[in-house]
Amino acid sequence: QVQLQQWGTGLLKPSEALSLTCAVSGGSFSGYYWTWIRQPPGKGLEWIGEIKLDGTTNYDPSLSKYNPSLKSRVSISVDRAREQLTLRLNSVTAADTAVYYCARGGWLQLWGQGTWVTVSS
Amino acid sequence: AIQMTQSPSSLSASLGDRVSITCRASQDIRSDLGWYQQKPGKAPKLLIYGASSLESEVPSRFSGSGAGTDFTLTISSLNPEDFATYYCLQQYAYPNTFGQGTKLELK
Repeated sequence: QVQLQQWGTGLLKPSEALSLTCAVSGGSFSGYYWTWIRQPPGKGLEWIGEIKLDGTTNYDPSLSKYNPSLKSRVSISVDRAREQLTLRLNSVTAADTAVYYCARGGWLQLWGQGTWVTVSS
Repeated sequence: AIQMTQSPSSLSASLGDRVSITCRASQDIRSDLGWYQQKPGKAPKLLIYGASSLESEVPSRFSGSGAGTDFTLTISSLNPEDFATYYCLQQYAYPNTFGQGTKLELK
């Protein structure tokens, strides 16, 4: 049975960087779109961003800028050799506390189990 | 960003009932809409894509309809395992956006 497995740091301090990884077991990694989604406690789903087959990325613009240099706070990448998907979110705050999911496919047909990330001082 | 508004936010129904959940987009999104079911503590599951296409292995009591700005998810006869929260997702434009969710509860 094809499954997505996620892992990463679950407890962060404000201003630290979040890094999560996602991999496929029992199935194919290549040839798919990959997406990250998060869900704050007790709230709905939030789309973070995706990476397409050609490596093009699209992000939620509310995460894509931080002051003052207007550089992106979020990045999604794939390591095709390791067949792993990575999410990196810089300068986290308490508002980034959520369950983070990776999902495979254009319509998010397959989801990871979710990773709880708590940001607290 | 395109706003997706689901209604109702919560719904109480009985086993065997026919229920419908609506999702309205703030602009035309053609048929670029999916529906997802989420149970507590679990990842969401795709039910419908392209507004009306049933995902593989999803029971036929689930159906989707609509195009443009107004969409509906219908469950023809509620089973015990259908009590969950349902979300719509538009993939017409970036950023993709979810509706706020509809919690379906047992009456």
